[in-house]
Amino acid sequence: QITLKVSGPTLVKPTQTLTLTCTFSGFSLSSTGMGVGWIRQPPGKALEWLALIFWDDNKRYSPSLKTRLTITKDTSKNQVVLTMTNLDPVDTATYYCAHREPAGSWFDPWGQGILVTVSS
Amino acid sequence: DIQMTQSPSSLSASVGDRVTITCRASQGISDNLAWYQQKPGKVPELLIYAASALQSGVPSRFRGSGSGTDFILTISSLQPEDVATYYCQNYYSAPYTFGQGTKLEIK
Repeated sequence: QITLKVSGPTLVKPTQTLTLTCTFSGFSLSSTGMGVGWIRQPPGKALEWLALIFWDDNKRYSPSLKTRLTITKDTSKNQVVLTMTNLDPVDTATYYCAHREPAGSWFDPWGQGILVTVSS
Repeated sequence: DIQMTQSPSSLSASVGDRVTITCRASQGISDNLAWYQQKPGKVPELLIYAASALQSGVPSRFRGSGSGTDFILTISSLQPEDVATYYCQNYYSAPYTFGQGTKLEIK
């Protein structure tokens, strides 16, 4: 059974850097085809794909956020970390991590998500 | 970037109705499309991948179809537990964009 859990701060001040950790179990990110993605959802709004890291350390980013995002993995700890710099109130959202299937970049399952509020 | 456009944005239907939601990609994505269901206050769940493959455990009343740029999610007989927002997702190429969602309610 694959599970993922997001941890990190729930309140961040504008201009600060957000660091979120996705801790997972039930698969290895060193196995061919595996990946972990990040998706966010502002309150009452649609899903927005942010980033994806593959088993071979290839990475993909949302073009609109590319300059602010960094995704890394620690295979030994079964963790993926997303860093977002220069936070703004519009970044207030629930942030999810999700497992990427080897056969394609759809996401299943998703972690429970964390609501991050950006406010002074 | 590939844009994903869903229609309608919201709809209301009666229990037992057949419901269709469409998703259009701004360029061809073959069958690299997934559908997700997000019930109120819950985490999104995968319904369909590869445009028409039903995820294990998903009721057979859900059906996906389409290829290229035009895709359809069909619920053959709407049930009360299907109240949710539905999203399509392109995974043909990064960025792996989502549609804006279709909110489904019961009349």
